[in-house]
Amino acid sequence: GENVEQHPSTLSVQEGDSAVIKCTYSDSASNYFPWYKQELGKRPQLIIDIRSNVGEKKDQRIAVTLNKTAKHFSLHITETQPEDSAVYFCAASKGSNYGGSQGNLIFGKGTKLSVKP
Amino acid sequence: GAVVSQHPSRVICKSGTSVKIECRSLDFQATTMFWYRQFPKQSLMLMATSNEGSKATYEQGVEKDKFLINHASLTLSTLTVTSAHPEDSSFYICSASPTSGLYNEQFFGPGTRLTVL
Repeated sequence: GENVEQHPSTLSVQEGDSAVIKCTYSDSASNYFPWYKQELGKRPQLIIDIRSNVGEKKDQRIAVTLNKTAKHFSLHITETQPEDSAVYFCAASKGSNYGGSQGNLIFGKGTKLSVKP
Repeated sequence: GAVVSQHPSRVICKSGTSVKIECRSLDFQATTMFWYRQFPKQSLMLMATSNEGSKATYEQGVEKDKFLINHASLTLSTLTVTSAHPEDSSFYICSASPTSGLYNEQFFGPGTRLTVL
C-alpha cells in the first residue's frame, strides 16, 4: 500500500523567511496530493492541493510542487508570518477511480512549523 | 462551501458507558465519510471508512464491535464508542468526501475530545 514520508518533523523559521516541507510517496498510482494545516486543538484545514497532471500550483504565499518521477512533493511558504505557526500534514491518494480503501488519503506524520516574530 | 460539523465537541464520560459522535456534511452530499483518531502531537490515524448505505470498512487493529459506525444518509455518519475505557480517551475527527468530487478531497469536522474517567 501507499506510504507517505514527511520531513522535517519540526521546523523553526524567522518571520519573513521561507519554509519548505517535503513529502515522498511510494505508490506511483497516487494522483492527488493535498496539504492540511492544523492549529492546536482544531480541525485540519485544506490549504492547497495538486493533481498529478500539473507540476506546480501557487496560491498567494503558498505553493506546492510535484515531481512524479521522483515521487515527491513539497510545500513552500514564503514571507512567513507568526499565524503560519501550526502543524502541516501532507497526504496522497489515488483518487476516486479506485474503489474501497485504495482511494483513501494516506497522511504523513506532520511537520510542526514555528514562525518566530 | 464544504462545511462539516461534528457533535459534541467535547465529552466526558464514565468508564463502561457508550458515547455517540455525529458527523454531518452541511452543504454537500458525502457518499463517503472517514473517522480518524488523533493522539497528542501525532498524525491522523484512520479508523474506518464509512459508506452510505453499507457497512463501514475498518482499518487493521480497529475493533468494529467497539467502534460502531453508521452512515444513515448522505449527510450523516455516527461513531459510537461502546463500553468506553480510559484508553479510548482521544481526539476523534471525522471527514467527508463530496459525492461529486473527482478526487478524494476530504473536509474535516472540528473534532470531538473524548475523556473517559
